[in-house]
Amino acid sequence: AQSVTQLDSQVPVFEEAPVELRCNYSSSVSVYLFWYVQYPNQGLQLLLKYLSGSTLVESINGFEAEFNKSQTSFHLRKPSVHISDTAEYFCAVRRGGYNKLIFGAGTRLAVHP
Amino acid sequence: SQTIHQWPATLVQPVGSPLSLECTVEGTSNPNLYWYRQAAGRGLQLLFYSVGIGQISSEVPQNLSASRPQDRQFILSSKKLLLSDSGFYLCAWSEGTTGAYEQYFGPGTRLTVT
Repeated sequence: AQSVTQLDSQVPVFEEAPVELRCNYSSSVSVYLFWYVQYPNQGLQLLLKYLSGSTLVESINGFEAEFNKSQTSFHLRKPSVHISDTAEYFCAVRRGGYNKLIFGAGTRLAVHP
Repeated sequence: SQTIHQWPATLVQPVGSPLSLECTVEGTSNPNLYWYRQAAGRGLQLLFYSVGIGQISSEVPQNLSASRPQDRQFILSSKKLLLSDSGFYLCAWSEGTTGAYEQYFGPGTRLTVT
């Protein structure tokens, strides 16, 4: 069975510091991975995705994630965070047909001044 | 471009009352549609998905039901709400046929059952 584990429920960090949000998955089939961001009382927004090709994928707002097949990981990183990055981040893996997704429990990123 | 709408944005209902949440998608045809529930401080739980009009699959047994009366309309219902039905309900869609795998989410409905 497929599953997603986000190793940290909360990550506090100071503004302009680097951050890594960890995600590990288990899957016995082709892997399609996603990171979503959720701001308070809003829906989820797609941040970035890995479907195939380059193992390093980037978003337009400076986040990047690297697909590591041997370690079954898809960690999200940003070299310098802003206050506006404060949000909850969800890692997800495609599960079977109809584009169903399995989500991790989420990591709450709190950026402090 | 595609947009997804949910309403109402917030809802407070007494235990035992009925529920109807609506989701509509614009700018695409024959999408896959999904209902999720997000309990406070927890991840997302897939409740239902639909791949076409009248086609509903339930992921977990529960007090809720879903319907898809039109191609781009997805409704979540209950005949009698329970306290445990409180949560943040999210509708999402994905392309049904092109092989794009990501889901796109609506703004959500916060339901409080009192």
